[in-house]
Amino acid sequence: DGGITQSPKYLFRKEGQNVTLSCEQNLNHDAMYWYRQDPGQGLRLIYYSQIVNDFQKGDIAEGYSVSREKKESFPLTVTSAQKNPTAFYLCASSISAISGNTIYFGEGSWLTVV
Amino acid sequence: KNQVEQSPQSLIILEGKNCTLQCNYTVSPFSNLRWYKQDTGRGPVSLTIMTFSENTKSNGRYTATLDADTKQSSLHITASQLSDSASYFCVVSALTNAGKSTFGDGTTLTVKP
Repeated sequence: DGGITQSPKYLFRKEGQNVTLSCEQNLNHDAMYWYRQDPGQGLRLIYYSQIVNDFQKGDIAEGYSVSREKKESFPLTVTSAQKNPTAFYLCASSISAISGNTIYFGEGSWLTVV
Repeated sequence: KNQVEQSPQSLIILEGKNCTLQCNYTVSPFSNLRWYKQDTGRGPVSLTIMTFSENTKSNGRYTATLDADTKQSSLHITASQLSDSASYFCVVSALTNAGKSTFGDGTTLTVKP
């Protein structure tokens, strides 16, 4: 099936650890995104990538890092510098970053700090 | 600063009833407005997308309206079903911010039998 696959669905992180969330898409989309969602709130953009080997910071990039070495993959690393990482993380993609294109979302990953 | 405000924050209705969710925005220059439905613990799913020239767009029992002059949009749900229980987000994109859309905080709808 075509779509966006995020893994793992649930992840627990100890204080001071870096963790990486995986995002893979087989939609042949150029643009990919990472959003963070806190309970009862909307989505906030962490990073986005318009093309392979290129990415830009979103509104809350501090404490996060990404890479875009392949068109279909856009992993997100939550570093120890992110002081409040517990949240629901959503990966998304669109044909291009032109604002008229529909953004398709993965099923999300829950990250909890223990 | 681009902003999107949604109301009400939460809404409870009985199955079979209609309801309307509101969205006001200050995003400029306006490109498009989208409504998404998000079931608990899942990724959002697109319901409608409207550009400047479109006033209304339907997707089954969902009808979205857009007034670009007053910068307001609404999502009307007809004959609600239990499966409509979800959070609904209004998302607005600007022409000059490729890749950066502004999300509202959403309306949580609960449909009761």
